[in-house]
Amino acid sequence: DTGVSQNPRHKITKRGQNVTFRCDPISEHNRLYWYRQTLGQGPEFLTYFQNEAQLEKSRLLSDRFSAERPKGSFSTLEIQRTEQGDSAMYLCASWEIRSNSPLHFGNGTRLTVT
Amino acid sequence: DQQVKQNSPSLSVQEGRISILNCDYTNSMFDYFLWYKKYPAEGPTFLISISSIKDKNEDGRFTVFLNKSAKHLSLHIVPSQPGDSAVYFCAASAISGGSNYKLTFGKGTLLTVNP
Repeated sequence: DTGVSQNPRHKITKRGQNVTFRCDPISEHNRLYWYRQTLGQGPEFLTYFQNEAQLEKSRLLSDRFSAERPKGSFSTLEIQRTEQGDSAMYLCASWEIRSNSPLHFGNGTRLTVT
Repeated sequence: DQQVKQNSPSLSVQEGRISILNCDYTNSMFDYFLWYKKYPAEGPTFLISISSIKDKNEDGRFTVFLNKSAKHLSLHIVPSQPGDSAVYFCAASAISGGSNYKLTFGKGTLLTVNP
């Protein structure tokens, strides 16, 4: 169990650029979640997958955001035409539906849009 | 509309004393509650949880109490240690309505334990 891995850890980009983050969940965890945390707030749910199927998207996920989990393993979160309001910590978490364990979070990707 | 509220942004206690962190919720569909601890530049780490069928769950120095009628839960840390200094998030989920495990978090409480 190597934990949930997220890359990159930090990303600085200019407004209007596209960025992509990657999340590698704990192996064999079939659920994968994306959350966003801004300063002074708790993590907010963005979307989740069961295997390769995206089952729910928050209204926070505007059409500039897209998430994929093509083979039911790693996931990517892309933000197109970034805005300064997108600056946040993007957290990935995974979970095995048959287990009694809670969500395991990665260390996040810190995005700064200048 | 914040469904999970942690009204104390910060708490400072002396080493060896009890730390009590509070959390209130408004959504009566929530039936599973968790506490996560977060250090700077790291993701949240699970601490302890409680189902709505219980009113207390204990794990070592950590105890969570749930008062369903008041829609209130609290985390007690006894004795507090300097290494406990972190941001503590209360989170809730409606598990029985479907196993999507979507968590709703509070804003967090920064706990500082002074030596």
